[in-house]
Amino acid sequence: QLQLQESGPGLVTPSGTLSLTCTVSGASLGSNYWSWIRQSPGGGLEWIGFLQSSGSSNYNPSLKGRATLSVDTSKNEFSLNLTSVTAADTAIYFCAAIVGSGNYNWFGPWGQGTLVTVSS
Amino acid sequence: DIQMTQSPLSLSASVGDRVTITCRTSQSIAKYLNWYQQKPGKAPTLLIYAASTLQSGVPSRFSGSGSGTDFTLTISNLQPDDFATYFCQQCFTTLYTFGQGTKLEMK
Repeated sequence: QLQLQESGPGLVTPSGTLSLTCTVSGASLGSNYWSWIRQSPGGGLEWIGFLQSSGSSNYNPSLKGRATLSVDTSKNEFSLNLTSVTAADTAIYFCAAIVGSGNYNWFGPWGQGTLVTVSS
Repeated sequence: DIQMTQSPLSLSASVGDRVTITCRTSQSIAKYLNWYQQKPGKAPTLLIYAASTLQSGVPSRFSGSGSGTDFTLTISNLQPDDFATYFCQQCFTTLYTFGQGTKLEMK
């Protein structure tokens, strides 16, 4: 059964870099697509980006180039780096697989989420 | 990017009621629309994909309809476990976007 688990610091200082890792179990990263999504304190969901282990990736332009996703197939992990963080980046960060049927795809399963607070 | 507008943003109902949540998109997305349920402290879980296809294991009291720009999620015979927040999400483009969420509370 595919499972995902986020890890990383829960507190990041303003202007610093947020770095999170998602460990995948129950399947190899293989040719699947993997994504990061965050949820603000107000409850809204924002897609951050996705990547495939082959290198294909796409990012939400609202992050203005601050996000980078990478994959480590030897550890079956993928990661998120978000630079120049501000308080607006405080959120629960989820990693998720992108799965689908035919032309349709969706996020699932998701990790449990990790709260990251940006504060000095 | 495609804007998603859900309504209502909050809803009070009782066990046994039938409720409908609406999701409107800023451009036509055919049937590339998913619905998720989220409970407090948990990640969202998929209920419906392709606007109307029930994910395996999801109770049949959940149903989805619509295409183009207007979509609905209907829950018939509300059960205590259904009180949660519901999100729509488009996958027509890979600049994925979500609705604001609808919080369904017990009356």
